[in-house]
Amino acid sequence: EDKVVQSPLSLVVHEGDTVTLNCSYEVTNFRSLLWYKQEKKAPTFLFMLTSSGIEKKSGRLSSILDKKELSSILNITATQTGDSAIYLCAGLKKTSYDKVIFGPGTSLSVIP
Amino acid sequence: GAGVSQSPSNKVTEKGKDVELRCDPISGHTALYWYRQRLGQGLEFLIYFQGNSAPDKSGLPSDRFSAERTGESVSTLTIQRTQQEDSAVYLCASRDPTFMYYGYTFGSGTRLTVV
Repeated sequence: EDKVVQSPLSLVVHEGDTVTLNCSYEVTNFRSLLWYKQEKKAPTFLFMLTSSGIEKKSGRLSSILDKKELSSILNITATQTGDSAIYLCAGLKKTSYDKVIFGPGTSLSVIP
Repeated sequence: GAGVSQSPSNKVTEKGKDVELRCDPISGHTALYWYRQRLGQGLEFLIYFQGNSAPDKSGLPSDRFSAERTGESVSTLTIQRTQQEDSAVYLCASRDPTFMYYGYTFGSGTRLTVV
């Protein structure tokens, strides 16, 4: 059965800290890995990673995929209170359509 | 519209009653997904619609759950004889297939509470 696991499930840090969120996956016919940020109810897209070892960056956020280890990390540097959210990792399957398997999320709280 | 619209945003219902949740996707987005998110958990796939193709219903947890979509328009998710375990946020997402994976847009969800 396909599954995506994230760790830690929750994390509290102080502003300015750097955090690393972990994601591991067991997804048959794996195509890509997705990261989303969820504040309140609607997740918003962060990254899609398809190739191993290529870092993607967006401001203070960066992510990389390791297809040998079936894992990915999401780094956030110089955290701000606005980074407080649930970060969802998802595996994308090569099916006739793109079926997405979501992990449980990491709840990040950044305190001043 | 500019985004994926879901209604109602919140619904409180008594156990045993039927509920209908609505998703209005972005115009032109042929792919539509329903997910369920229980408190503190990740997104659980429920059903996928793509144009006029047969939907993938493999995620529906029981026969109390059903969903419909006519063409590329509004979708409704119906839960019959609701149970307390159905309490969750139900999220809808649509996608423009010409932009592949970058095209997912989620609605703000319906928070269902069964009392």
